[in-house]
Amino acid sequence: QVQLVESGGGVVQPGRSLRLSCVASGFTFSSCAMLWVRQAPGKGLEWLSFIWWDGTHDDYAESVKGRFTISRDNSKNTLYLQMNSLRVEDTGLYYCAKERNIGSHSFDHWGQGTLVTVSS
Amino acid sequence: QSVLTQPPSVSAAPGQKVTISCSGSSSNVGNNYVSWYQQLPGTAPKLLIYDNNKRPAGIPDRFSGSKSGTSATLGITGLQTGDEADYYCVTWDNSLSAGVFGGGTKLTVL
Repeated sequence: QVQLVESGGGVVQPGRSLRLSCVASGFTFSSCAMLWVRQAPGKGLEWLSFIWWDGTHDDYAESVKGRFTISRDNSKNTLYLQMNSLRVEDTGLYYCAKERNIGSHSFDHWGQGTLVTVSS
Repeated sequence: QSVLTQPPSVSAAPGQKVTISCSGSSSNVGNNYVSWYQQLPGTAPKLLIYDNNKRPAGIPDRFSGSKSGTSATLGITGLQTGDEADYYCVTWDNSLSAGVFGGGTKLTVL
C-alpha cells in the first residue's frame, strides 16, 4: 500500500534552517510529481511547493519563494523540503502528497505530517 | 485572503444535501482541473474529487463535483454525521505558476 512518511520537524528559532523529508513506498516514486502543503494551527491548507517526477522543474508559493527549496532523490524514494530563514509564520504541520496522475494537479495520497514550530 | 473563495461554513441536517462552492478566475478554476479534499479533525486531507468531477475508487457516489466557468462545486447528498469535516478545493493558477487552495469550508451536520 502507498505510504508517505514525513520527518524532520521540530522546534527551531527564527532565522534558522530545517530540512524535512518524506519517504515514499508502495508506488513508483520516480514516476510521480510531489507536493508539499502546510497547515498553520487552526488554519486552512496552504500550497507550498511542487516538483516534477524527474526533479527537473519545481514551483513555489510566493510566501516561501527564495527561502524554501524542494528536491527529491528518486534512488532513495525520498522528497525533501529545505527551509531556510524560517519565520514565526512558518509554524505548522507540513504534509507531503503524491500527484494522482500527470497534469491533474490532484493528490491521492498524503502523509500524516511533521510539525514545525518556529519560536524564539 | 485565498485566491479561491469558499464559504467558511455550511450546515444541513442528516440525510439532506449540501453544496460547497469554490470561486476563482480564468487563471485558475476557469482553465484548470479542480480537485476536492475532505479533512476530518486531526487527520490528513483525503482526495474526494479529481479532474472536476471524477471520484477515486472507494469514494461513495454521495460525493459529486462539477465546474462551470470560473466556479466549481462539491455536492454531498445523504449527509451523515461522519461527513462533518473541513472541505478544500485546489487547482493550478497559471498567473501565479503555483497551486492554490480555497480557504476551506467547515461542514456541520446538525
